[in-house]
Amino acid sequence: DGGITQSPKYLFRKEGQNVTLSCEQNLNHDAMYWYRQDPGQGLRLIYYSQIVNDFQKGDIAEGYSVSREKKESFPLTVTSAQKNPTAFYLCASSIETGYYGYTFGSGTRLTVV
Amino acid sequence: SQQGEEDPQALSIQEGENATMNCSYKTSINNLQWYRQNSGRGLVHLILIRSNEREKHSGRLRVTLDTSKKSSSLLITASRAADTASYFCATDGGGTYKYIFGTGTRLKVLA
Repeated sequence: DGGITQSPKYLFRKEGQNVTLSCEQNLNHDAMYWYRQDPGQGLRLIYYSQIVNDFQKGDIAEGYSVSREKKESFPLTVTSAQKNPTAFYLCASSIETGYYGYTFGSGTRLTVV
Repeated sequence: SQQGEEDPQALSIQEGENATMNCSYKTSINNLQWYRQNSGRGLVHLILIRSNEREKHSGRLRVTLDTSKKSSSLLITASRAADTASYFCATDGGGTYKYIFGTGTRLKVLA
């Protein structure tokens, strides 16, 4: 079955540590996205990628980095520069940007300890 | 700033009743989408309605769009306990290639 897989489901980060969240899709979608969700809040866009080897900053990109070396994969690194990383991170993909519904992964809950 | 704002923030109804939630947005759009999120899970796409459409149905869901008022509504008929979730609208800001999500309506359906 096609879908998006995010791993791990739960992640704990120590102060000053970089961590990488995995996002893999087998839907043959061109576009992929990372969103951050805080409790009781909507989703805020971190980064998005329309094609391989290309990505753009979203509204809250500071303290995050991404890569898109393969169509199927769009990992997100939360760097030590992100001062408040505790949140629920959601990865999504779509056939193309803008005009189609998104398929979301099940999310990664990141907690700073 | 949020493009889409849902109203109400929370809604509690009895099983079998209809649930209506609204979304208002600020700029012109090409299309608007509604998503459902169960607690601690990812979002599930429900319906996409394009700016030249006024109404769309999918099973027990009915979505309307009024571009003159920059608003949309999602109606869930004959609600079930399994409909308990948060519902989000998302707008594309007129072709910016990225959707902006509202803060959601938390729906609780009591059995």
